[in-house]
Amino acid sequence: NAGVTQTPKFQVLKTGQSMTLQCAQDMNHEYMSWYRQDPGMGLRLIHYSVGAGITDQGEVPNGYNVSRSTTEDFPLRLLSAAPSQTSVYFCASSYHSGSPYNEQFFGPGTRLTVL
Amino acid sequence: GENVEQHPSTLSVQEGDSAVIKCTYSDSASNYFPWYKQELGKGPQLIIDIRSNVGEKKDQRIAVTLNKTAKHFSLHITETQPEDSAVYFCAASFNQAGTALIFGKGTTLSVSS
Repeated sequence: NAGVTQTPKFQVLKTGQSMTLQCAQDMNHEYMSWYRQDPGMGLRLIHYSVGAGITDQGEVPNGYNVSRSTTEDFPLRLLSAAPSQTSVYFCASSYHSGSPYNEQFFGPGTRLTVL
Repeated sequence: GENVEQHPSTLSVQEGDSAVIKCTYSDSASNYFPWYKQELGKGPQLIIDIRSNVGEKKDQRIAVTLNKTAKHFSLHITETQPEDSAVYFCAASFNQAGTALIFGKGTTLSVSS
């Protein structure tokens, strides 16, 4: 198993540009989520999904869109990047309801800089 | 909204000493409390977790305690080693399934030999 994969590893954008951060998992996990990590702020939940076709907002959803068309993929879209979105982004996945195993597996992260 | 407070933000210990990190949470409905370790340049990795119906859980040198009445939980690492040096995060769930997590701001643990 590859686990949770994220692409790209690094990205530099100009203000106003759009892009999609990719996340995929091959563990058949129902639950997937996106976090951003900023110095001294810990991990903050952006959006999450409990299954294909179902998404919900986390703590800091503004400026980000998500969709979940398949169990494996959960892309994060920035429609108009802003310098405040400079951060390290982590994708995570886990089993959801009906299972005692809720360990969330994190990807290696995408480091995004918005100029 | 839901909130998780974590203390201390930095912790320095000598090899062999114990380390304790404490967290408090605001949502009384939270039912799942994991602890993650993050090494430099990597994603967080689960080291131990505890559910709301359990007061204490231990895994070798690592233990977690939960006080639901006071809404706080703690991580205890005994006989610390240099490889325990990392950033540690606590988290609390805010959905019924215990999957959506709110994280604390992290504790940087340094173990010197």
